[in-house]
Amino acid sequence: DAKTTQPNSMESNEEEPVHLPCNHSTISGTDYIHWYRQLPSQGPEYVIHGLTSNVNNRMASLAIAEDRKSSTLILHRATLRDAAVYYCILRGAGGTSYGKLTFGQGTILTVHP
Amino acid sequence: DAGVTQSPTHLIKTRGQQVTLRCSPKSGHDTVSWYQQALGQGPQFIFQYYEEEERQRGNFPDRFSGHQFPNYSSELNVNALLLGDSALYLCASSPRVSLMNTEAFFGQGTRLTVV
Repeated sequence: DAKTTQPNSMESNEEEPVHLPCNHSTISGTDYIHWYRQLPSQGPEYVIHGLTSNVNNRMASLAIAEDRKSSTLILHRATLRDAAVYYCILRGAGGTSYGKLTFGQGTILTVHP
Repeated sequence: DAGVTQSPTHLIKTRGQQVTLRCSPKSGHDTVSWYQQALGQGPQFIFQYYEEEERQRGNFPDRFSGHQFPNYSSELNVNALLLGDSALYLCASSPRVSLMNTEAFFGQGTRLTVV
């Protein structure tokens, strides 16, 4: 399974932008880049996903490097509710990886008031 | 739409016992996956069901088995429970037709404690 590397933790202040990086140097051409977040005692929640182009939705933006070996999740204005563990995941398309989500350790985001 | 629902929310079992966890996927979703999340760790993929068959399997022993019913709901069974099986068990559903290019919906999980 293709692996992702994220910082263990990051901190931000409320209402400031947050850039969460992710490295995935072994990504294959058919892997989608997914981001999920998880609040304490809850199941993971989908944030955003993309394949090659940058993506925007109501929650966040996803910037994907041209070589697809890294990506950055951007929260435009962090709120206290955004404090969570953020997971960068490659959703596999081939063979035994089809559709599987392989979670790493994630990045613990702390948002200060 | 109730989203993904799992039952029970919590349970306590004794070592050696067997347990069955249940999952109802989001309406219209035909693919169900199960994950195990130990405390402080990311979720680990157990297996995926589609058309009532196990399609993918993670690195889990045969003590972990599952089933999918015609209405797409699913069960996770764990036999001969060990203390190390204590974890949050998560169910996720997606539509097969767009599995790669769509979000997975997760339930709130079942917290299993083995004593």
